[in-house]
Amino acid sequence: DAKTTQPPSMDCAEGRAANLPCNHSTISGNEYVYWYRQIHSQGPQYIIHGLKNNETNEMASLIITEDRKSSTLILPHATLRDTAVYYCIVRVANTNAGKSTFGDGTTLTVKP
Amino acid sequence: NAGVTQTPKFRILKIGQSMTLQCTQDMNHNYMYWYRQDPGMGLKLIYYSVGAGITDKGEVPNGYNVSRSTTEDFPLRLELAAPSQTSVYFCASSYSGVRQDGYTFGSGTRLTVV
Repeated sequence: DAKTTQPPSMDCAEGRAANLPCNHSTISGNEYVYWYRQIHSQGPQYIIHGLKNNETNEMASLIITEDRKSSTLILPHATLRDTAVYYCIVRVANTNAGKSTFGDGTTLTVKP
Repeated sequence: NAGVTQTPKFRILKIGQSMTLQCTQDMNHNYMYWYRQDPGMGLKLIYYSVGAGITDKGEVPNGYNVSRSTTEDFPLRLELAAPSQTSVYFCASSYSGVRQDGYTFGSGTRLTVV
């Protein structure tokens, strides 16, 4: 699985959009980009994933560059409850267990 | 559905003791995983399984063993506990079919070895 690079921390004002970047320059053509978040010491929570098209669900939007070497997770209206560690991972789903390496992630702090 | 259930939630072990961390899922997921998370760090894969009877090592398997006798259960065994195994342990599962779903994680087991 390709490795990812994320900034260690980011701040965001409550009500504003939070844009979390992720670099995955060695991503392979069959690898998906997944985003998770971990609030306090709870188990990580799945947010969204995509292959090459932009994706949106009730939690967030995922923008993947055309060359697929980077992506951005967008929380459109951040709330204090979005304060968490956000992990970007890439993996080949449906093969070899799709096992994934989680890096240290980005600690997002949403401020009032 | 309960999702992924881990027991116990907390445990204190003495050096050299053994224990089994339990993990069960009710989503009929083929794939299951064990991760550990040290304070302030990301998750590291210990072992994983693609189905009943099949397991394989992850990044940090030393000091641990697993078994997968059923689709639902994936216990993690610590044979001789060491202080370096003090960590939070997360079990996860995922679907192995054509849907590219993400992982579902349990709430974790916080283990302290003294």
